[in-house]
Amino acid sequence: DTAVSQTPKYLVTQMGNDKSIKCEQNLGHDTMYWYKQDSKKFLKIMFSYNNKELIINETVPNRFSPKSPDKAHLNLHINSLELGDSAVYFCASSLVETQYFGPGTRLLVL
Amino acid sequence: QKEVEQNSGPLSVPEGAIASLNCTYSDRVSQSFFWYRQYSGKSPELIMSIYSNGDKEDGRFTAQLNKASQYVSLLIRDSQPSDSATYLCAVLKTSYDKVIFGPGTSLSVIP
Repeated sequence: DTAVSQTPKYLVTQMGNDKSIKCEQNLGHDTMYWYKQDSKKFLKIMFSYNNKELIINETVPNRFSPKSPDKAHLNLHINSLELGDSAVYFCASSLVETQYFGPGTRLLVL
Repeated sequence: QKEVEQNSGPLSVPEGAIASLNCTYSDRVSQSFFWYRQYSGKSPELIMSIYSNGDKEDGRFTAQLNKASQYVSLLIRDSQPSDSATYLCAVLKTSYDKVIFGPGTSLSVIP
């Protein structure tokens, strides 16, 4: 009965590879997000989708491409991974304002 | 000036003491304010939200908001070792805006 789930939990990959992270929420929320938390624990929004439509697109390299097949799913594809992409990526969902976070995906680019 | 600022800590308090966490924000039109707790290796979880000036109490937690001073605080009474975590202040202008998180304050409660 996990509310917001992400896969994989850990991702270790080489520079230049392409990888995807999947997120699903069973809370019935309309809005989903991707956040990046760097090594200094700073949590920063990357994208937000409302009912499958992109509503927030922060200054993120276009190597990052989100995709929402339906309002319960939001995936993140990353092309040509760089060392600086190493971070924890959190998916979240919200009905109004409170953010409900997934467990995070720890990405390490070697 | 950063949009949401917090002392990074670490803040150390003895068990049973009051822990005081502070946050300032730059955008005067901000409407909603939140405190999230993040244990090491875990995801953030909401512990308090506050929308109007004054105090809001929930168990051992009290959130305080002063919009004139653009200041939000979180008091934790009778601090417990299980309160040791990073506390993230978050601010929202309107429901259609993005939530801006502060850098977090690391709290350590010493038994």
